[in-house]
Amino acid sequence: KQEVTQIPAALSVPEGENLVLNCSFTDSAIYNLQWFRQDPGKGLTSLLLIQSSQREQTSGRLNASLDKSSGRSTLYIAASQPGDSATYLCAVHNQGGKLIFGQGTELSVKP
Amino acid sequence: KAGVTQTPRYLIKTRGQQVTLSCSPISGHRSVSWYQQTPGQGLQFLFEYFSETQRNKGNFPGRFSGRQFSNSRSEMNVSTLELGDSALYLCASMRKGTDTQYFGPGTRLTVL
Repeated sequence: KQEVTQIPAALSVPEGENLVLNCSFTDSAIYNLQWFRQDPGKGLTSLLLIQSSQREQTSGRLNASLDKSSGRSTLYIAASQPGDSATYLCAVHNQGGKLIFGQGTELSVKP
Repeated sequence: KAGVTQTPRYLIKTRGQQVTLSCSPISGHRSVSWYQQTPGQGLQFLFEYFSETQRNKGNFPGRFSGRQFSNSRSEMNVSTLELGDSALYLCASMRKGTDTQYFGPGTRLTVL
């Protein structure tokens, strides 16, 4: 059974700092991995999707990497801003439309 | 292009009642998935529909059901509501041939 874990559960950093969020999964037979952002009480916004054949994806200040063999993914955020404050969720896609989510990392960027 | 829309956004029901939630996917998307989000369990997959057929189902009791219409709009029904059904219910749509799921804003269900 696929399990997804995100560490840390919460993170507080000063504005401008570079940071890394971690995601691990137990079953390496994944189709892809997707990172989302969720603002309080809102839906999920897709940030990056990495196919199982890819090693990384970049979008602006965000860079996500994937190491299937070790069951790990990281989301790197460069030059963090207060507007980056949100909960970040990673989800692995095993088959069909089923995503299995981690519990998320709650990020707070202090001005 | 309009995003995924969900109605209603907020709902208050009492135990034993039933509820129907609606999701309209992005135009051209034929896959719709439903998720339940609670503080304790996080995000859990309920079911996925594609071209009016249920393609995947999560580990939820039979009180949770869904359907999809020919225009890809989907509804989710929960019968005999329990206090533990209070949650944010999210739907997501996906275009055939791609893997990115796009989520709606969710329906916040409170069961009293």
